[in-house]
Amino acid sequence: DAMVIQNPRYQVTQFGKPVTLSCSQTLNHNVMYWYQQKSSQAPKLLFHYYDKDFNNEADTPDNFQSRRPNTSFCFLDIRSPGLGDAAMYLCATSTRGGQETQYFGPGTRLLVL
Amino acid sequence: AQKITQTQPGMFVQEKEAVTLDCTYDTSDPSYGLFWYKQPSSGEMIFLIYQGSYDQQNATEGRYSLNFQKARKSANLVISASQLGDSAMYFCAMRDFAAGNKLTFGGGTRVLVKP
Repeated sequence: DAMVIQNPRYQVTQFGKPVTLSCSQTLNHNVMYWYQQKSSQAPKLLFHYYDKDFNNEADTPDNFQSRRPNTSFCFLDIRSPGLGDAAMYLCATSTRGGQETQYFGPGTRLLVL
Repeated sequence: AQKITQTQPGMFVQEKEAVTLDCTYDTSDPSYGLFWYKQPSSGEMIFLIYQGSYDQQNATEGRYSLNFQKARKSANLVISASQLGDSAMYFCAMRDFAAGNKLTFGGGTRVLVKP
């Protein structure tokens, strides 16, 4: 089945230690998104790629970076995680044009010690 | 001003009964899309149903239907014949050109289905 895959599902890191979360998709969608979701809140868009074009949200901290080496993969790098970065990180994909439904992966739950 | 409002933070529903989740939105864009997602405790956001602003009929997907009232700017989700597995957080979201075609989420409604 076509899907959005996120690895790992759970990630524990130490304060200040860089961490990378990964997302892959078999839907061949040209848009990929990264969201941060804190407990009992709605997802908050960090950035998205339209093909290779990177689009950063104005309020996304510089601590968060992203890479998209090809259509299928997208990575979220947190350069120096703080305690406030503990959250669920959701990857989503969509096409452009038409309904543009975003399909989400299962998420990676990040814990910062 | 909030663009998507879900006024019910949480609600209980009896198994096999129907439940309506409220969602109101605000946009000046004539072309927009409305989405409902389900998020169980595992964390995955599951797409349920979509309604386009120009769609003449209310969207339906199995036990899910969307009560779209364009003039009132509401897009309520109706879940018929609730099941225990319907217990989850439900998010209403809107995509409109004014927001660069990005999704704007409401605050969510937590549903607990009682046996």
